[in-house]
Amino acid sequence: DAMVIQNPRYQVTQFGKPVTLSCSQTLNHNVMYWYQQKSSQAPKLLFHYYDKDFNNEADTPDNFQSRRPNTSFCFLDIRSPGLGDAAMYLCATSRDLAGRGPLQETQYFGPGTRLLVL
Amino acid sequence: DQQVKQNSPSLSVQEGRISILNCDYTNSMFDYFLWYKKYPAEGPTFLISISSIKDKNEDGRFTVFLNKSAKHLSLHIVPSQPGDSAVYFCAAKGGGADGLTFGKGTHLIIQP
Repeated sequence: DAMVIQNPRYQVTQFGKPVTLSCSQTLNHNVMYWYQQKSSQAPKLLFHYYDKDFNNEADTPDNFQSRRPNTSFCFLDIRSPGLGDAAMYLCATSRDLAGRGPLQETQYFGPGTRLLVL
Repeated sequence: DQQVKQNSPSLSVQEGRISILNCDYTNSMFDYFLWYKKYPAEGPTFLISISSIKDKNEDGRFTVFLNKSAKHLSLHIVPSQPGDSAVYFCAAKGGGADGLTFGKGTHLIIQP
């Protein structure tokens, strides 16, 4: 089945210790997104890749970086995690940003990685 | 400043009856709306969507209604089934933004 996979599902890191979360997809979608969802809050977009083009949201802290080495994989790097970065991190994909309609607008999510910062 | 609001954190409905989940938005540039369903320990799953040029979209037991003048949309589930118990997120897109703007979600509980 085509899907979005996130590893690990749970990640524990120490305050200030760099951590990397990974996402892979078999949907062959050219757009990949990273969202942060804190407890009882709405998921919030951090950044996305349109093909190889990186698009950062204006209010995403510099502490958060991303890499997309190929179409299938995308990584979220947190350079110096703080206690406030503990959250669920969701990866999503979509087919294309050009044009409008269900095929372009629908985003497909992975199961998320829950990050705990000690 | 929440642009997408789901004012009911939870909703309890009896099995077989209609579930109505509401969502309000403030950004008039939004032109596409989606509902996602989320079970514990899983990612959000796409349920149904609607373009701003329509006022209704139906898919089986799920119907989404859009009232642009009121900046309000609702998701109707009829009849409600136990497997519908989940958190439902309203999301919107448009205004040049590439990502989705989500509400905080409504936890729907279907009572047997």
